[in-house]
Amino acid sequence: DVKVTQSSRYLVKRTGEKVFLECVQDMDHENMFWYRQDPGLGLRLIYFSYDVKMKEKGDIPEGYSVSREKKERFSLILESASTNQTSMYLCASSLGTSGGALGYNEQFFGPGTRLTVL
Amino acid sequence: KQEVTQIPAALSVPEGENLVLNCSFTDSAIYNLQWFRQDPGKGLTSLLLIQSSQREQTSGRLNASLDKSSGRSTLYIAASQPGDSATYLCAVLDSNYQLIWGAGTKLIIKP
Repeated sequence: DVKVTQSSRYLVKRTGEKVFLECVQDMDHENMFWYRQDPGLGLRLIYFSYDVKMKEKGDIPEGYSVSREKKERFSLILESASTNQTSMYLCASSLGTSGGALGYNEQFFGPGTRLTVL
Repeated sequence: KQEVTQIPAALSVPEGENLVLNCSFTDSAIYNLQWFRQDPGKGLTSLLLIQSSQREQTSGRLNASLDKSSGRSTLYIAASQPGDSATYLCAVLDSNYQLIWGAGTKLIIKP
């Protein structure tokens, strides 16, 4: 079974802190994604990566950065946390495709990290 | 811009009933549509993926249909059980290879 793990299930941080959210997958997937999920808005893509050291902005990258130094690990960084970044953060991974359609293959999700910024 | 809508936002039905969840999208130019299930604390699980050339997919008691021309998909759950209680999300892969998500339908099956 594909397993995607996230470093924390619940996290409470203060405004202005630097926050690291870690995601690890064990299926040698090329693609990895970070989403945030807010009530009534569905999932919104923050960043994605289709290879080591490669990253692309999603729909809402402002206030976030990412790092992918190893294939199995994709980190989301909040450089200076703000209260409007309180949310559920979901990581996902999928197999790569030669056609480059990142959403073409099934995405496997981690359990999520509920982040509260005070 | 592609938009995905799921109505209703919440649904409560007695155990044993057959039910239909709805998903609509504004732009018919999609590559595929997926249905996911989300349980509290367990992330999302992919249920069914329908390619744009397909009309439906089935898995056990679940059947998903796709009508691209009308911008609609339905998820049919037969003989519902309390274990089916969860939030169900649909997402379309749009012409820019972006997954666009609905906000979900929270389903409660009453024993």
